[in-house]
Amino acid sequence: LAKTTQPISMDSYEGQEVNITCSHNNIATNDYITWYQQFPSQGPRFIIQGYKTKVTNEVASLFIPADRKSSTLSLPRVSLSDTAVYYCLVGDISGGYNKLIFGAGTRLAVHP
Amino acid sequence: DSGVTQTPKHLITATGQRVTLRCSPRSGDLSVYWYQQSLDQGLQFLIQYYNGEERAKGNILERFSAQQFPDLHSELNLSSLELGDSALYFCASSLRPGRGLTQETQYFGPGTRLLVL
Repeated sequence: LAKTTQPISMDSYEGQEVNITCSHNNIATNDYITWYQQFPSQGPRFIIQGYKTKVTNEVASLFIPADRKSSTLSLPRVSLSDTAVYYCLVGDISGGYNKLIFGAGTRLAVHP
Repeated sequence: DSGVTQTPKHLITATGQRVTLRCSPRSGDLSVYWYQQSLDQGLQFLIQYYNGEERAKGNILERFSAQQFPDLHSELNLSSLELGDSALYFCASSLRPGRGLTQETQYFGPGTRLLVL
């Protein structure tokens, strides 16, 4: 059964780089790793997605090692508005049916 | 605004009752997902539909059921409600399921907050 593990919380300061790692030992072979951001009382919002190696977009980078058993979301130069909960999402095809597994989320607090 | 709409925004009901939550996906999206988020809990995947057919199923209770209609909107039915069913229920949509389970970007609605008393 696919299971994801993330740190429960992290603290940072404005302008710093933040790296959040998610471990997913049993990720499905053909599945992607996706990260979402959630603010209180709102639905999650897509940040970035990758299959292997490194992906970069205008807001973040995603590093995925060759074995794909983990991934690291990198937020460059965070600001106060990046204070949110960050989730990784992977797929699981064990047990004879398909399902999506969100990590428990990492609560990031950015301080002035 | 993600383009996904959910109604109602809030719902208060009593134990034993049945409720229906409604979701309209983004224009053009064919796949709909339902999630449950309890207080201070992460997102629990319930079920996914693609073009009217069930595609993936999570830990959805037998008291819960869902369907996607020909116009692509979806409904989540919760019956014999218990106190523990109080949660935020999110619907998300994507253009299509994608090669893997998670390839397609999901766009989440604002959620329906259910309170069971």
